[in-house]
Amino acid sequence: ETGVTQSPTHLIKTRGQQVTLRCSSQSGHNTVSWYQQALGQGPQFIFQYYREEENGRGNFPPRFSGLQFPNYSSELNVNALELDDSALYLCASSREGTYNEQFFGPGTRLTVL
Amino acid sequence: GENVEQHPSTLSVQEGDSAVIKCTYSDSASNYFPWYKQELGKGPQLIIDIRSNVGEKKDQRIAVTLNKTAKHFSLHITETQPEDSAVYFCAASMGTGYALNFGKGTSLLVTP
Repeated sequence: ETGVTQSPTHLIKTRGQQVTLRCSSQSGHNTVSWYQQALGQGPQFIFQYYREEENGRGNFPPRFSGLQFPNYSSELNVNALELDDSALYLCASSREGTYNEQFFGPGTRLTVL
Repeated sequence: GENVEQHPSTLSVQEGDSAVIKCTYSDSASNYFPWYKQELGKGPQLIIDIRSNVGEKKDQRIAVTLNKTAKHFSLHITETQPEDSAVYFCAASMGTGYALNFGKGTSLLVTP
């Protein structure tokens, strides 16, 4: 069974730029959730994708957007990067019908200068 | 929205001792409570979870208890080992399709 994978591992961008992060869900999982984890904090929910549609969103502005593909992989896009966007971005996959067991990838460390 | 509070923020124990981490939640609709372990440079790893229709669950050295009336749940680690050192997060959720709402984490250090 393949776990959740994310790319890239690290990324450095400058303020105002745009970034795309990628996630491949665990085998058999059809739901992907994205979280932002600031240093020393717990993960904060950004949004969730199910059947290629956004299925719930946390308190993040519209410049955070996403996609889910037919193979259940997903992208997180962030436009107009701000310094406060520097964080670890985590992707978690889960399977419909389970209670809400979410399995996380290793994350992408984004630094905005 | 759901608010999860976690205590303590740091915990240091001697190898072999027990460690207890406590969380409270605010939304009575929450029905799923997972615990994650996060090691440096890695993503959170699900170590145990409990559902609202169960009061206690155990898996080897790890156990979780849930008090729905008081809206709190706890993680118990017995016979701690140095490899248990990590940051532990509790979370609460209303189930499938809903977000996990995390506490701020507990940094556990197990000294030999």
